[in-house]
Amino acid sequence: QSVLTQPPSVSGAPGQRVTISCTGSSSNIGASHDVHWYKQLPGTAPKVLIFNSNNRPSGVPDRFSGSKSGTSASLAITGLQAEDEADYYCQSYDSSLSGYVFGTGTKVTVL
Amino acid sequence: EVHLLESGGGLLQPGGSLRLSCAASGFTFGDFAMSWVRQAPGKGLEWVSTIHGPGTTTFNADSVKGRFTISRDNSKNTMYLQMNSLTAEDTAVYYCAKNEGHPLENWHFDYWGQGTLVTVSS
Repeated sequence: QSVLTQPPSVSGAPGQRVTISCTGSSSNIGASHDVHWYKQLPGTAPKVLIFNSNNRPSGVPDRFSGSKSGTSASLAITGLQAEDEADYYCQSYDSSLSGYVFGTGTKVTVL
Repeated sequence: EVHLLESGGGLLQPGGSLRLSCAASGFTFGDFAMSWVRQAPGKGLEWVSTIHGPGTTTFNADSVKGRFTISRDNSKNTMYLQMNSLTAEDTAVYYCAKNEGHPLENWHFDYWGQGTLVTVSS
């Protein structure tokens, strides 16, 4: 049972903007712990997409951006492309659990 | 180039034990914390265990405390996960991952292996 909640799915047409929310609590995101985002294609390992709430590793296009406010965070994808179809997970640290936590995951579908 | 390669997965019966390995290359292994993350079939990601660079500090998810032990041999650039008292709920792909960031509360997983499947079934 994940302590970070994401919508099960989001969808959009090519070129549109979609956002994925990640809702936590005062012991994780609300405790000012950073939020990170991962993209996972079917049958492959996750790859970091955004780290420290709003930083992109080299090679990740600037169509991807992250934000954080209070006990929630969001991942935005602008200019949606077919290659963006994947599962996306947020991740943070939980002080009450003394460990890392992942979101429930969101499947992005490009219509 | 960073490369992580897991091995040791397989099929075993409930109550059994297994040791996973993760061979690392492309970075100074002993300088970084490492972790295990698992994913049950069709399910989301679940953090399992983390070990600091020197190997003296570890922490585990509640779901595996007392059953799983993470360790590392920095001379061999290899991390391990000893899994005991396995149940069907431990069936998953197990990924090893390199930690990055500071402090530990802000660590993320910047490189991942391809995963090794552990199936617990009678």
